[in-house]
Amino acid sequence: EAGVAQSPRYKIIEKRQSVAFWCNPISGHATLYWYQQILGQGPKLLIQFQNNGVVDDSQLPKDRFSAERLKGVDSTLKIQPAKLEDSAVYLCASSFLGGGSDNEQFFGPGTRLTVL
Amino acid sequence: KQEVTQIPAALSVPEGENLVLNCSFTDSAIYNLQWFRQDPGKGLTSLLLIQSSQREQTSGRLNASLDKSSGRSTLYIAASQPGDSATYLCACSGSARQLTFGSGTQLTVLP
Repeated sequence: EAGVAQSPRYKIIEKRQSVAFWCNPISGHATLYWYQQILGQGPKLLIQFQNNGVVDDSQLPKDRFSAERLKGVDSTLKIQPAKLEDSAVYLCASSFLGGGSDNEQFFGPGTRLTVL
Repeated sequence: KQEVTQIPAALSVPEGENLVLNCSFTDSAIYNLQWFRQDPGKGLTSLLLIQSSQREQTSGRLNASLDKSSGRSTLYIAASQPGDSATYLCACSGSARQLTFGSGTQLTVLP
């Protein structure tokens, strides 16, 4: 079974530029998550999708971050314009269902963003 | 709001030693707790998932326990090996099945 795919793996941009990340979850997984992991910290949830609907985006900085999952499969996360403090690893995860206690999440390799 | 704390932040042990990593959480109303491993520059690998109704889970040399009433979980690693060197993260799943992570314990196993 293929895992969660993410691209690109690395991205370096200058502040005020825009950037987009792509994620393809495990086939059949209805729930998709984007996390931000700043160096030395644990991942922090940015947004959760259930199929193509948003379950929670309360921690997404909506003035500069946006995400979509139009067909309920793959997803893109965009930052426009980027700030220095956005330098982090952006992790995508998926799980089979949002409900039920056995909701194991599987993570992709992440995209490491450096903002100069 | 759930808060997850992991102590210690870093740990260095000689090969072959048994060790315990600690995780504490403030809200006992969790649905499950997961332990992950993260290697430098890599994503997260799920090690063990403990459902809220369970008290422990085992996989090979790993054993994770859960005490919801006290807000604690431990990850026990038996007979540690240099290949176990990584950062270990615990995460609690809340009502919407979102994960709240601790900051991790960076483990170094010396040959």
